[in-house]
Amino acid sequence: QVQLVESGGGVVQPGRSLRLSCAASGFSFSIYGMHWVRQAPGKGLEWVAVIWYDGSNKYYADSVKGRFTISRDNSKNTLYLQMNSLRDEDTAVYYCAREELRGAFDLWGQGTKVTVSS
Amino acid sequence: DIVMTQSPDSLAVSLGERATINCKSNQSIFYSSNNKNFLTWYQQKPGQPPKLLIYWASTRESGVPDRFSGSGSGTDFTLTISSLQAEDVAVYYCQQYYTTPRTFGQGTKVEIK
Repeated sequence: QVQLVESGGGVVQPGRSLRLSCAASGFSFSIYGMHWVRQAPGKGLEWVAVIWYDGSNKYYADSVKGRFTISRDNSKNTLYLQMNSLRDEDTAVYYCAREELRGAFDLWGQGTKVTVSS
Repeated sequence: DIVMTQSPDSLAVSLGERATINCKSNQSIFYSSNNKNFLTWYQQKPGQPPKLLIYWASTRESGVPDRFSGSGSGTDFTLTISSLQAEDVAVYYCQQYYTTPRTFGQGTKVEIK
């Protein structure tokens, strides 16, 4: 079954860290670029980060640059998002998404919820 | 960064009627080397992740009903639902993939009148 399953979300205090994971199955994970997209409560979609299929390039939204790190382990078919120095405004559902060859995000996970609160 | 602006923010349409959503980018997202507009449309229903509807501005993803169509080029794009069905109630987002960051529009909420 072709799917992405996120995990690692939870409630964390401001300034602390959290690592999200996205487990891929049913397809050749190592040939796809992967993205993180987040959605704050009641808000729209915000692109967060991308990593190329081989991990050679990574790009971030300005809002998370220097605090978040995207990575992947193709041997484990898993995408990660290391989130440091978390802020209230990072509270959101975080989705991982696959970028297919045409550039569109054709496969999304169900999301994992991150709440930053003291 | 490319800014994507959708209009309207919400609309209510009667069942069987046409719904039209506009999306405008603040710079062209047309790539002349392959003659494509780097624009996608997604549908998001409550409690669900987004679903890909349209890519290259006008190509329907496999399995998407043909009542959904995309048009436009350069900086101005439109998503049309030709005959609104109850299951089309959702928020619709455009996104450009011409460059990084891959910016989204703010979303348009479609409801039944």
